[in-house]
Amino acid sequence: EAQVTQNPRYLITVTGKKLTVTCSQNMNHEYMSWYRQDPGLGLRQIYYSMNVEVTDKGDVPEGYKVSRKEKRNFPLILESPSPNQTSLYFCASSRALSGQGAKGYTFGSGTRLTVV
Amino acid sequence: AQSVAQPEDQVNVAEGNPLTVKCTYSVSGNPYLFWYVQYPNRGLQFLLKYITGDNLVKGSYGFEAEFNKSQTSFHLKKPSALVSDSALYFCAVSPTYNFNKFYFGSGTKLNVKP
Repeated sequence: EAQVTQNPRYLITVTGKKLTVTCSQNMNHEYMSWYRQDPGLGLRQIYYSMNVEVTDKGDVPEGYKVSRKEKRNFPLILESPSPNQTSLYFCASSRALSGQGAKGYTFGSGTRLTVV
Repeated sequence: AQSVAQPEDQVNVAEGNPLTVKCTYSVSGNPYLFWYVQYPNRGLQFLLKYITGDNLVKGSYGFEAEFNKSQTSFHLKKPSALVSDSALYFCAVSPTYNFNKFYFGSGTKLNVKP
């Protein structure tokens, strides 16, 4: 089944303890992205990647890191999590983002992160 | 600054009635426009998109959306609502200067009553 898989689904951690949320897609998509969803704010883009080793900042990159060493994987790293990073996180991937063949993003099921 | 507005936090309709979920945007150029739906504890699912061409686009589950360039709006519509349409709906905009960037509205909760 074509999908974007995030792990873990739920995570409670303490302030300052480094964590990684994994994301993997099996559709051979070039484009991947991370979003956070907060009530009343919708989804905000954290980072995106156009291909292996090519990443760039979205609107809210502070406090996050990403890497794209392989096409299928796009982990989100929080080096020193803080309570304001408590949120619902989504990874997404796309085959094409421009032209008539643009498909938009396919989203994972989400990771609910709580930082205490 | 780029922005997407969904002016209604919640829309309530009776089953069988038409529904409209509103979206306006402030993004330079001729952006791509999308609608996504989110069911509880799930990721977002693509409904439809507007790239160019006919202002009325059709998508999944009987939904359609009307693009209005002069009003910079992209309202989601359905002629006859179903209870199963109850969900959270997001409008998203991707600017032509960088297709990798997506700007989402704050979401509209659609409640369809039997």
